[in-house]
Amino acid sequence: DTGVSQNPRHKITKRGQNVTFRCDPISEHNRLYWYRQTLGQGPEFLTYFQNEAQLEKSRLLSDRFSAERPKGSFSTLEIQRTEQGDSAMYLCASLSGELFFGEGSRLTVL
Amino acid sequence: AQSVSQHNHHVILSEAASLELGCNYSYGGTVNLFWYVQYPGQHLQLLLKYFSGDPLVKGIKGFEAEFIKSKFSFNLRKPSVQWSDTAEYFCAVNLNYGGATNKLIFGTGTLLAVQP
Repeated sequence: DTGVSQNPRHKITKRGQNVTFRCDPISEHNRLYWYRQTLGQGPEFLTYFQNEAQLEKSRLLSDRFSAERPKGSFSTLEIQRTEQGDSAMYLCASLSGELFFGEGSRLTVL
Repeated sequence: AQSVSQHNHHVILSEAASLELGCNYSYGGTVNLFWYVQYPGQHLQLLLKYFSGDPLVKGIKGFEAEFIKSKFSFNLRKPSVQWSDTAEYFCAVNLNYGGATNKLIFGTGTLLAVQP
């Protein structure tokens, strides 16, 4: 499969724990995006990278959230001290003319 | 702030009925417009996009959309829906800075259920 790959697909954690999601974009796609989607809402922009540079961060991305793309290939999104309000689907997408989305990582915080 | 409105949150149609889903955006400058579809259990996929040129855009699976600049609208249409069109549909917009795509702003989505 040469699409955007996200891991893990599902994560259940207790409040206060840290979680990390990984995204492998389509190779040679320089831009990588993270979105968050909650029930009944469309995807909300979190941040994006051009190669390894993080070019924009939404105000939705609190200090507990950090995203990296160290070598300009895969990216990680870490959430520290999770809260119940962080429960959502976290979507990754890479860009080549259009956004190609992965299947998402669903986070449930108990 | 830039925003996208989808007025129909839930639409139920019978097979062969015609479909029109509304999308309005709020931004006075040049925009790129998109419709994405999410079938049950699958990831978001692009249906069609408008960057410039002919305001009537044709996409996959018989879908089309018309950009009406004066109405800030980009409505999605299909003359005859099928059961397999059951999905959630998202309109999205981004500001056009010299033709570059930066971030997409999505609407809240319209859930379409087609009854056989």
